[in-house]
Amino acid sequence: EPEVTQTPSHQVTQMGQEVILRCVPISNHLYFYWYRQILGQKVEFLVSFYNNEISEKSEIFDDQFSVERPDGSNFTLKIRSTKLEDSAMYFCASSGIAGTQETQYFGPGTRLLVL
Amino acid sequence: GNSVTQMEGPVTLSEEAFLTINCTYTATGYPSLFWYVQYPGEGLQLLLKATKADDKGSNKGFEATYRKETTSFHLEKGSVQVSDSAVYFCALSDNGNNRLAFGKGNQVVVIP
Repeated sequence: EPEVTQTPSHQVTQMGQEVILRCVPISNHLYFYWYRQILGQKVEFLVSFYNNEISEKSEIFDDQFSVERPDGSNFTLKIRSTKLEDSAMYFCASSGIAGTQETQYFGPGTRLLVL
Repeated sequence: GNSVTQMEGPVTLSEEAFLTINCTYTATGYPSLFWYVQYPGEGLQLLLKATKADDKGSNKGFEATYRKETTSFHLEKGSVQVSDSAVYFCALSDNGNNRLAFGKGNQVVVIP
């Protein structure tokens, strides 16, 4: 069964450093998402992406964050200058089409720790 | 705005016991409702969904009914197994956007 994959599974970085989290969505999907979960808190929406541009973003997704689809298979989340409060589990998701009824398929997550 | 509330705290129960996890929501439109499950070391997997009032979603013995009058989508299973031990997340998506709003999740531990 097709699945979303994410790398790395764990990332430790120093405050102020740049990190890139990578995702390979399901191959025929067109919509891509990033969510994060700070320890003990809810899973929060960050951004959705379609047709090579951001379709929606939350208030969390400020100028420190960017997303890119550099080729036909990868979808990346870059944090330009990490802060301690960016420590979280980051989930990538994809869906075949848009719409509130559509299922989003999630990857296993990348656990980011900022020291 | 849209939000989802799940009952507080982990749930520990014995094998073959009845499981209920409460989920209530607040939404401005006509949301679709989802239950996702996360097994240890894995990603979020869709367990079931319902897209309109009075719909019942079901999968792997789990059920949840979309109750508009009580704004609820409680998850139930009649006889749990050790393999059902996981974290369960209630979520909704609402008209006008594709973002999912999640509850905090409930850790379920089933003891043999």
